[in-house]
Amino acid sequence: GESVGLHLPTLSVQEGDNSIINCAYSNSASDYFIWYKQESGKGPQFIIDIRSNMDKRQGQRVTVLLNKTVKHLSLQIAATQPGDSAVYFCAETNYGQNFVFGPGTRLSVLP
Amino acid sequence: DTAVSQTPKYLVTQMGNDKSIKCEQNLGHDTMYWYKQDSKKFLKIMFSYNNKELIINETVPNRFSPKSPDKAHLNLHINSLELGDSAVYFCASSHGTGGHEKLFFGSGTQLSVL
Repeated sequence: GESVGLHLPTLSVQEGDNSIINCAYSNSASDYFIWYKQESGKGPQFIIDIRSNMDKRQGQRVTVLLNKTVKHLSLQIAATQPGDSAVYFCAETNYGQNFVFGPGTRLSVLP
Repeated sequence: DTAVSQTPKYLVTQMGNDKSIKCEQNLGHDTMYWYKQDSKKFLKIMFSYNNKELIINETVPNRFSPKSPDKAHLNLHINSLELGDSAVYFCASSHGTGGHEKLFFGSGTQLSVL
């Protein structure tokens, strides 16, 4: 089936720095995207979403950017904290369809 | 209160056995799902139920049988377990099935088949 993103990469950042996690999606018809955070031993948790009629959305310390031209999604985390260490998934869907999840990116925050 | 709860958290069993995983959501959602996460963290949908009715059944062996006694519960029964069934199974729920619905996940059941 379709896949979103690359094989699981790892991103290491210093505490206090900004993090950027990238995701390439494959379905140009996708019109809704979500970023999930999965901490060790837990299920994925919603972080932020964006619809295809937007190219940027901001939350608390997080920003999602959508570039439909190149089918690219990114999650920016400002002032990364130890509690941000987790695996981050992007997921795409279009109306009436299931979410397709990317393989995820592991974020490690270094002290 | 846990919104989506699933039991057990860990399940270790022998090949050939039959086991069940239970899931309950107290969010009042109409739709529930089972996802499988493999050792590389890849998440893939298995089943989706809306108001107790099956609406999605991805390419899953028929050894896997979901059952929804009511819209707050979706259980997963697995017959004749195989080594390849080892994975983390997540239950999830959403308000509806429109596609633009956030998924709320349980904390997962780690199944190990020996």
